[in-house]
Formats: sequence, C-alpha cells, structure tokens
Amino acid sequence: GAGVSQSPSNKVTEKGKDVELRCDPISGHTALYWYRQSLGQGLEFLIYFQGNSAPDKSGLPSDRFSAERTGGSVSTLTIQRTQQEDSAVYLCASSLAGTKETQYFGPGTRLLVL
Amino acid sequence: GESVGLHLPTLSVQEGDNSIINCAYSNSASDYFIWYKQESGKGPQFIIDIRSNMDKRQGQRVTVLLNKTVKHLSLQIAATQPGDSAVYFCAERGNYGQNFVFGPGTRLSVLP
Repeated sequence: GAGVSQSPSNKVTEKGKDVELRCDPISGHTALYWYRQSLGQGLEFLIYFQGNSAPDKSGLPSDRFSAERTGGSVSTLTIQRTQQEDSAVYLCASSLAGTKETQYFGPGTRLLVL
Repeated sequence: GESVGLHLPTLSVQEGDNSIINCAYSNSASDYFIWYKQESGKGPQFIIDIRSNMDKRQGQRVTVLLNKTVKHLSLQIAATQPGDSAVYFCAERGNYGQNFVFGPGTRLSVLP
C-alpha cells in the first residue's frame, strides 16, 4: 500500500486498561507524527519522530501516553490506564523528511473508553 | 501563544457555485501553510499548500490565497461538487521549525 496505515481502525476498551495503537508510515518517510482529534475538534499534536533524533514529546498530555518507533518505521502509541477523556480519533501522519514537508495522514484509530 | 482559527465553522453552498473557506492565524512568523480536507471517517487529506513567500497558489479547482498583512488564509474551490462536502482544516507551521498547528475546521456542505 502506498499510504499511511493504522490499526486497529476501532478500539473499545474499559477505563483503566492499557491500549496500543499502531502506525505504518509511507515507505521512505523519515518523519512520523501522532495527533489526537476529539469529536468536532481540530488536530492536537502529540509526538513527532524524525529519523534517529530524540522524539519531540511536547504534545503528550500526560505520562500515561508514550510512543516508540522501532527501526525508523512502524510506531506504536501506548495509553496506559485509559480514561474516558482519552476517547478520540488518534491520527498518524508521515512526511518525507522533517516538519518542512507535507504530512500524509492515515485513516485513524477511533478509541472509545467506557 | 500561536493559534489558528476559522471565521466560519459551517458553510453551505449550491452545487456548481464557488466556495471560499477562510482561516485566520496569529503567528506572523509562520512560513508554511496547508489546507487539508477530511471526509467523514477518514484522515485528513492534503489539498494544497503555500509558503510565506507567495500570496497565491492554484491547483486543480482550488486556489489558496495568503495575506500576510492581516494574517489571513483562504481556500477557494471552483464549481463546488457534492464530493467536496467535508471538513476543511488549515494548518500553519512557524518558521522555527515547530510542528503544525491546526484550526478547528470548517464543514462544507454542498447542496443539490
């Protein structure tokens, strides 16, 4: 596939459980971003990976949120001890190189915390 | 802090008419802007971009205008079609290389 893919497409979990969301960026894209989109809202930046550099975690809302990117490709966003306010669409995007390049988005993972 | 906002949260246009979606930004140092289209249940899709050294850029049926004096960005869609119905986001990036800031979006509804 040529685009950014994310899995699962939908996730329902109980409050307090941990969840892992996966993102496969476009092949060759060195930059990867995670955003959160609440219902009817804009995109909230969470974290940014660029190559082998230390990630920009400035957007992570709490220490319950973490992300890693293994081998410079696939990324996993982990939310520990989920809360109801974590319910949102989590979007991943990648770009060819750095923040100067256009970002291409995946379809998102819709997370519902009951 | 910097912010990006939209003048109109919803816009309804007749099929075939031209649409204009507006966006105000507050960071005068932003050097790159993008318009995204997001259809229901999908991720944002790149439409068109513009750099701060330009004031106009045209694509296929879309034109982006940048007025740095008043910090205003607009997206013009010519001959709006039903498939254009979506939420449109503007995004800005500061010239310090930070990440993009997205506006809340404008919902465009195309009436038959």
